[in-house]
Amino acid sequence: AQTVTQSQPEMSVQEAETVTLSCTYDTSESNYYLFWYKQPPSRQMILVIRQEAYKQQNATENRFSVNFQKAAKSFSLKISDSQLGDTAMYFCAFMKLYPGGNTGKLIFGQGTTLQVKP
Amino acid sequence: EAGVVQSPRYKIIEKKQPVAFWCNPISGHNTLYWYLQNLGQGPELLIRYENEEAVDDSQLPKDRFSAERLKGVDSTLKIQPAELGDSAVYLCASSFDGYRGNEQFFGPGTRLTVL
Repeated sequence: AQTVTQSQPEMSVQEAETVTLSCTYDTSESNYYLFWYKQPPSRQMILVIRQEAYKQQNATENRFSVNFQKAAKSFSLKISDSQLGDTAMYFCAFMKLYPGGNTGKLIFGQGTTLQVKP
Repeated sequence: EAGVVQSPRYKIIEKKQPVAFWCNPISGHNTLYWYLQNLGQGPELLIRYENEEAVDDSQLPKDRFSAERLKGVDSTLKIQPAELGDSAVYLCASSFDGYRGNEQFFGPGTRLTVL
């Protein structure tokens, strides 16, 4: 069974600084996807960034980037130039594709609460 | 484009009462998911629909939980009877099975409190 572990329950960062959230996962699959989702207090889960396991290049989305280490099964999220609006709970998620399908089951980590301080 | 709509946003009931949650996915999304999110935890899949067919309900406690997705559009998740341990947020998500690893779009969730 796949598992996702986020070892940092809470983190804080000063506005405009950089912060890295850690995530490790366990799987025997070779083809899968990894995601970081953001969940602010409003509870709306929002996709931050996605990484395909077959791609060696790390994904980036504006201020958000990942460090994907497939052999180590590590998938960390770096937030540059942190903003107050980045305050939220961040979930790392693993997607195992359903056989023959184009989608899959998301397995989430426990989450990391990030507080951006002014 | 409207997002995933869920209602109600909050529900408080006494234990042993029935409760139902409603979800309307994004138009055109053929896949619909119900997740359970306990306080301070990540969501866990309860059931997944492809169109009107439940294709993964292995995590759904079938003794008290049921779900339906008539006509492959909106969906209802029901609990009968509710127990204290069912207090949680119930999230609905949808996706379009058009490309690999496609994004699941989440609704705002329904927070259930069982007294």
